[in-house]
Amino acid sequence: GESVGLHLPTLSVQEGDNSIINCAYSNSASDYFIWYKQESGKGPQFIIDIRSNMDKRQGQRVTVLLNKTVKHLSLQIAATQPGDSAVYFCAEKPNAGKSTFGDGTTLTVKP
Amino acid sequence: KAGVTQTPRYLIKTRGQQVTLSCSPISGHRSVSWYQQTPGQGLQFLFEYFSETQRNKGNFPGRFSGRQFSNSRSEMNVSTLELGDSALYLCASSPYDTMNTEAFFGQGTRLTVV
Repeated sequence: GESVGLHLPTLSVQEGDNSIINCAYSNSASDYFIWYKQESGKGPQFIIDIRSNMDKRQGQRVTVLLNKTVKHLSLQIAATQPGDSAVYFCAEKPNAGKSTFGDGTTLTVKP
Repeated sequence: KAGVTQTPRYLIKTRGQQVTLSCSPISGHRSVSWYQQTPGQGLQFLFEYFSETQRNKGNFPGRFSGRQFSNSRSEMNVSTLELGDSALYLCASSPYDTMNTEAFFGQGTRLTVV
C-alpha cells in the first residue's frame, strides 16, 4: 500500500546549524510532495511543496530535495533557530487525490 | 483574514455517544479536508469536500461522516464513539480544488472518549 515514512523520529541540532529532515515515500504516482511544521498545540502549517517533475525547490531558509530514483524527500533548514523546534511532517499527494502523511520528526533546537 | 476555525476546541464524550465537530474555513476557501491525528497512527485522512461534494474519502468506518454547506463550512460526525476515537481532529481549507497543495489547518478539536 501507499506509505510515507520518515527516517528518524527525533532530531536535535544546535542553534545556527543546518538541519536535514528526511522522508522516504513509496507511491511513485504522487504529483506533489509537501512539508508541514506542527508546533505544540497548533495545527500543521504548510512550509513548502515540490512537484514530482522537479528535484529541488528553495524557500526562505528552507530547501526541499526530491530524489525520485530512491524515492527520497528531504527538508533542509538553514541556520536553525529555536522557533524551528516543532514536529515536521512530509506528505505526498496525487493531483486529484488525498494527501498521505508520514509519521513526523520532532526537531529540537538547542540554544 | 481569519484563519480556519474549529469548534469546540476540547470535547469529552462517553463511549456509544455521537459527536459533531465544526469547521469554518478561511473566507473564500471552497475546499475542506478533515484529518485524525493520534500518537500511534499520525495524521490520517478522513475526507475532503469541495463545493458541498465529497471528493475523497479515507479508510475509516462508516461511523465517520461529514458534510459541507453552501457557505463552505463543514461538519464531521462520529457515531457510536469508541475509546479509539480519542484523537485530535484537524480541519484544513484551501482556496482551490484538490489540485492545490497548500492547505491551511485549524488548531483542531481534541476529542476524548471515556
